[in-house]
Amino acid sequence: AQSVTQLDSQVPVFEEAPVELRCNYSSSVSVYLFWYVQYPNQGLQLLLKYLSGSTLVKGINGFEAEFNKSQTSFHLRKPSVHISDTAEYFCAVTEAGGYQKVTFGTGTKLQVIP
Amino acid sequence: KAGVTQTPRYLIKTRGQQVTLSCSPISGHRSVSWYQQTPGQGLQFLFEYFSETQRNKGNFPGRFSGRQFSNSRSEMNVSTLELGDSALYLCASSLVQSSYEQYFGPGTRLTVT
Repeated sequence: AQSVTQLDSQVPVFEEAPVELRCNYSSSVSVYLFWYVQYPNQGLQLLLKYLSGSTLVKGINGFEAEFNKSQTSFHLRKPSVHISDTAEYFCAVTEAGGYQKVTFGTGTKLQVIP
Repeated sequence: KAGVTQTPRYLIKTRGQQVTLSCSPISGHRSVSWYQQTPGQGLQFLFEYFSETQRNKGNFPGRFSGRQFSNSRSEMNVSTLELGDSALYLCASSLVQSSYEQYFGPGTRLTVT
């Protein structure tokens, strides 16, 4: 079974500063990895996903993430954040192939300070 | 293309009652998954349906059940409600299976008193 850990429950950052949201996973097999964002009173929206291929994945809204198999990490980055990026971000993992359930991390609340 | 819709958006029920939540996936999507989101437990997987068959099930008691219809619409039912069932229930649809990509609805906020 897979698991995912988001060590930071809250990350405050000033507007226009860079940010990194950390995600580590555990699995004995190949995995697919995802980052989702949830704005207040809304459902989740997919930011980006890693299924295979290039380990650097670019997503929407200027976000990117790098899959690091040796460190079992999939950290999310943005070079310059905006007030509108204030939201909760969820990392998720699933075993590659077939019908496998998706396991979500506990979320990281990104607070962008003007 | 219309997104995932969930009805109702808000619901207040009393302990011991039962409740049915509805989810309409994106047109053409055949997989529907349900999640429970609470501040303490985060997002927890309930079950996934594909072509009217349950493909996966999470670790929830039998009070939680679901089904999917031939048009891919899905319902989940919770019987004998407990206070701890208060949560945001999210539905997500996928073209084939949730392990590739999911599109979430806005959720149903269930409050049990």
